[in-house]
Amino acid sequence: GEDVEQSLFLSVREGDSSVINCTYTDSSSTYLYWYKQEPGAGLQLLTYIFSNMDMKQDQRLTVLLNKKDKHLSLRIADTQTGDSAIYFCAETLMNRDDKIIFGKGTRLHILP
Amino acid sequence: NAGVTQTPKFQVLKTGQSMTLQCAQDMNHNSMYWYRQDPGMGLRLIYYSASEGTTDKGEVPNGYNVSRLNKREFSLRLESAAPSQTSVYFCASSAQKRQFFGPGTRLTVL
Repeated sequence: GEDVEQSLFLSVREGDSSVINCTYTDSSSTYLYWYKQEPGAGLQLLTYIFSNMDMKQDQRLTVLLNKKDKHLSLRIADTQTGDSAIYFCAETLMNRDDKIIFGKGTRLHILP
Repeated sequence: NAGVTQTPKFQVLKTGQSMTLQCAQDMNHNSMYWYRQDPGMGLRLIYYSASEGTTDKGEVPNGYNVSRLNKREFSLRLESAAPSQTSVYFCASSAQKRQFFGPGTRLTVL
């Protein structure tokens, strides 16, 4: 079946790196995504990776994909207070139109 | 471009009342979606529309109806609101495997 799992909470000190992890069950994933939701706002696409890639880097963000273990991670370098948000892992599956399957979200809390 | 817009931002209803949540996108996207977000539940798909004139049920369609009025607009209707429908509702549109979200409607049913 289709399932995307992620831990619900993560606390990180300001200036440290944050690593948010996600696992998925369906091996036919084509795209995997990280969305960010700030308080009171909608979801904003942060970054995404195609399933034939292992890594994608975009400024402070690094996405790692391990297809064998069906594991996706998002690393945020030099975490700032503005990074405090809920981060959703998501996937699309082959031949499933544009439906995206979301995890329940990881709330990132920044400690001073 | 405004992206995806939703109205209203907030709404309070009494049990049994009806209302329609409006959504519009100006990105010429074919696919549009309605989700609800509840604490600890993440996002759950209510209905989606792969193109103008078509709609399909998602994970939690009971108690809701939708209309894809044209390519731009996708509305969500609650015919007889229940307290279990208290939630934050998000509309989204997509193209090229990426979804773009509206700011949400916070609905409370008393």
